Amino acid sequence: AQSVTQPDIHITVSEGASLELRCNYSYGATPYLFWYVQSPGQGLQLLLKYFSGDTLVQGIKGFEAEFKRSQSSFNLRKPSVHWSDAAEYFCAVAYGGSQGNLIFGKGTKLSVKP
Amino acid sequence: GAGVSQTPSNKVTEKGKYVELRCDPISGHTALYWYRQSLGQGPEFLIYFQGTGAADDSGLPNDRFFAVRPEGSVSTLKIQRTERGDSAVYLCASSLTNQNTGELFFGEGSRLTVL
Repeated sequence: AQSVTQPDIHITVSEGASLELRCNYSYGATPYLFWYVQSPGQGLQLLLKYFSGDTLVQGIKGFEAEFKRSQSSFNLRKPSVHWSDAAEYFCAVAYGGSQGNLIFGKGTKLSVKP
Repeated sequence: GAGVSQTPSNKVTEKGKYVELRCDPISGHTALYWYRQSLGQGPEFLIYFQGTGAADDSGLPNDRFFAVRPEGSVSTLKIQRTERGDSAVYLCASSLTNQNTGELFFGEGSRLTVL
């Protein structure tokens, strides 16, 4: 069965430090991969997505993610974290045959220290 | 409106009662989705509409849950005989395309508490 694993429940980084949030997926075919961010009082917002082609994808707010098929991973990165990045981050996979059916990981809560 | 609108934002009800949650998608978006997010979990797919019809309802947990979208715009999620385990945030999303490559735009959710 398809699944998404985010091994880190909570991460704290200092403002200005680099960030990497881990995501591993289980899926038999080529996945469509997404990262969403959920800030308090706001709806989930798409950060970036991977469908095919270049395995390094750029998103909004300075985020990027790298698809590594051999590791079944799609880790999210940012070189310098801002206090406003504090939020919960969700990795998700969509699979063919059930359009719009996203399987989400449990999320990683990011705290930013001043 | 500019985004996906969900009402009510909060609903407290008693076990056994009937509840309706409403979603008003972004204008022009033909695809509409319902997800449920329990505490400490990621969103879980419930049902997907393409136009007026439910294209995939495989995520509905049981027959107490039902959703409609009669005119292809606003959707209502209906929960009968609510149980305490139904307590969660119910998220609605819409997208311009029904392809997997499309971006989902989420509302802020309706928080349901069943006492």
